[in-house]
Amino acid sequence: GEDVEQSLFLSVREGDSSVINCTYTDSSSTYLYWYKQEPGAGLQLLTYIFSNMDMKQDQRLTVLLNKKDKHLSLRIADTQTGDSAIYFCAESYSGYSTLTFGKGTMLLVSP
Amino acid sequence: KAGVTQTPRYLIKTRGQQVTLSCSPISGHRSVSWYQQTPGQGLQFLFEYFSETQRNKGNFPGRFSGRQFSNSRSEMNVSTLELGDSALYLCASSSVPGGGAYEQFFGPGTRLTVL
Repeated sequence: GEDVEQSLFLSVREGDSSVINCTYTDSSSTYLYWYKQEPGAGLQLLTYIFSNMDMKQDQRLTVLLNKKDKHLSLRIADTQTGDSAIYFCAESYSGYSTLTFGKGTMLLVSP
Repeated sequence: KAGVTQTPRYLIKTRGQQVTLSCSPISGHRSVSWYQQTPGQGLQFLFEYFSETQRNKGNFPGRFSGRQFSNSRSEMNVSTLELGDSALYLCASSSVPGGGAYEQFFGPGTRLTVL
């Protein structure tokens, strides 16, 4: 079955880069996503990558995908205190609508 | 464009009662999905509706049900509430179900507490 795993916690200093990692088990995943959840709020879609891509960059965000190792990472450059939140990795299959989420990584950015 | 709205935002019920949660998707979106978020199980898919039809259903007991109206608004109902149903219930809307990158836009959620 499908399973998405993430480390639970990451702490960085403001201005540093943050790297949040995710592994997934289902090789038929077509799209992989990163969502952000701030306290008391719903999920905000940050970015997604199609499984035939290795990298996607969007302003301060860089997504790297290693399909062979089923490893996905999200790099946040110049991390700010406002980036403190829980980050979820998720996968889905083209033509289907179910998202399978990891348990989330809590990112704490200290000044 | 207004985002996804969910009502109520907070709800307190007792065991055995039933509850109905409402979700209004982004204007023009016809697909609505529901997720349950708990500290222990994380985010779990409940069901998805498109054009008033349930397209997919997660692994939840029959006490959890939903429906979608012709204006794309959706409701979910939980009957015979149990303590374990305490969770944040998130609704997400999308313009296209599946078929490519599935960009779902989430509402703020309804926090249900069962006493």
